[in-house]
Amino acid sequence: QKEVEQDPGPLSVPEGAIVSLNCTYSNSAFQYFMWYRQYSRKGPELLMYTYSSGNKEDGRFTAQVDKSSKYISLFIRDSQPSDSATYLCAIPGTALIFGKGTTLSVSS
Amino acid sequence: EAQVTQNPRYLITVTGKKLTVTCSQNMNHEYMSWYRQDPGLGLRQIYYSMNVEVTDKGDVPEGYKVSRKEKRNFPLILESPSPNQTSLYFCASSPWGATGNTIYFGEGSWLTVV
Repeated sequence: QKEVEQDPGPLSVPEGAIVSLNCTYSNSAFQYFMWYRQYSRKGPELLMYTYSSGNKEDGRFTAQVDKSSKYISLFIRDSQPSDSATYLCAIPGTALIFGKGTTLSVSS
Repeated sequence: EAQVTQNPRYLITVTGKKLTVTCSQNMNHEYMSWYRQDPGLGLRQIYYSMNVEVTDKGDVPEGYKVSRKEKRNFPLILESPSPNQTSLYFCASSPWGATGNTIYFGEGSWLTVV
């Protein structure tokens, strides 16, 4: 089993929709969890960073960690066309362990 | 402005012709790393460096070399490129390793080996 699994999508939603992006991980020792956003032909940029369990909110974005089920989520409220990108979950170690990314398209 | 700069951004080369992709950061970061990104495989680490003169293999180091003679530079060397090294490459840097919450990525280098 890979350490981080992520459904690659693609995911297409209309503007204003609530988007849920998800990853599962295998190692219960992981404590830090990140979400990156990558626009086409650009490098990934850190979007959210959470430690341990619970929720973290930043504007329209909420990162959620459920350590009991080894499940991490990113919610986007009131999605905008500018949110169209690939979203990658990542867990740090000697390297960042990335999920394969979910490609999101928000149509106006 | 905090930056990780890679060059070249786009390159088409032929099998066996040695090439170097340069990476430079202006943030005095200790940690630097190279990743490749391929469809269906995601981002995979090639090599990383915790500090000057300290480098180590990542998940997919075969066919690549790196060096870290100065803190700011971390070039990726393909001694004899092959078509399976056609990929999008990213350099990244961080103050203290991949456990930090601030890892900066370069803009990427698109490499095609024919």
